[in-house]
Amino acid sequence: KQEVTQIPAALSVPEGENLVLNCSFTDSAIYNLQWFRQDPGKGLTSLLLIQSSQREQTSGRLNASLDKSSGRSTLYIAASQPGDSATYLCAVLNSGNTPLVFGKGTRLSVIA
Amino acid sequence: GAVVSQHPSRVICKSGTSVKIECRSLDFQATTMFWYRQFPKQSLMLMATSNEGSKATYEQGVEKDKFLINHASLTLSTLTVTSAHPEDSSFYICSARFGGRETQYFGPGTRLLVL
Repeated sequence: KQEVTQIPAALSVPEGENLVLNCSFTDSAIYNLQWFRQDPGKGLTSLLLIQSSQREQTSGRLNASLDKSSGRSTLYIAASQPGDSATYLCAVLNSGNTPLVFGKGTRLSVIA
Repeated sequence: GAVVSQHPSRVICKSGTSVKIECRSLDFQATTMFWYRQFPKQSLMLMATSNEGSKATYEQGVEKDKFLINHASLTLSTLTVTSAHPEDSSFYICSARFGGRETQYFGPGTRLLVL
């Protein structure tokens, strides 16, 4: 059974810092991996999706990498801003008609 | 991107009553819909998977007689929490997908509070 782990569980950084969020998964036979953002009491916003054949995806200040063989992904946020404060969730999709499996998330606070 | 809506966004009910939550895919046909539950400061936990026209498949530990799921059309799935109790208070999020490997699109969630 696929298990997704995110480290750290919480992170507080001053504005302007670059930071890295980590995600690991136990079954490397994934189809794709997604990073989501969730604001308190809100739904999910998809940030980046990496197909299993890809190594990274970039969107603005966000860069996600994928090392499928080692079961790891990182989300890099450059020049963090207070508006980046949210919970970031990593989720993987295994082959077949299976649902996304989520990690517990990293709660990020960017202090002005 | 594709849009998934949920209704209501927030509901407060008395213990023992039933609550129905609707999930609609607005601009695509969702062959598969998923229902997740999220407790405060926890991640999303999958409750059940439903394919249009078929019975839902429930995850271990989720009572199928308590959480009734209907996926009668390619654009609508409903989750009914029967005889709700305070411990059912949670954030319920639906997700819809077309095909076996396409992106899952998420609804905005429904906050249920059972008094």
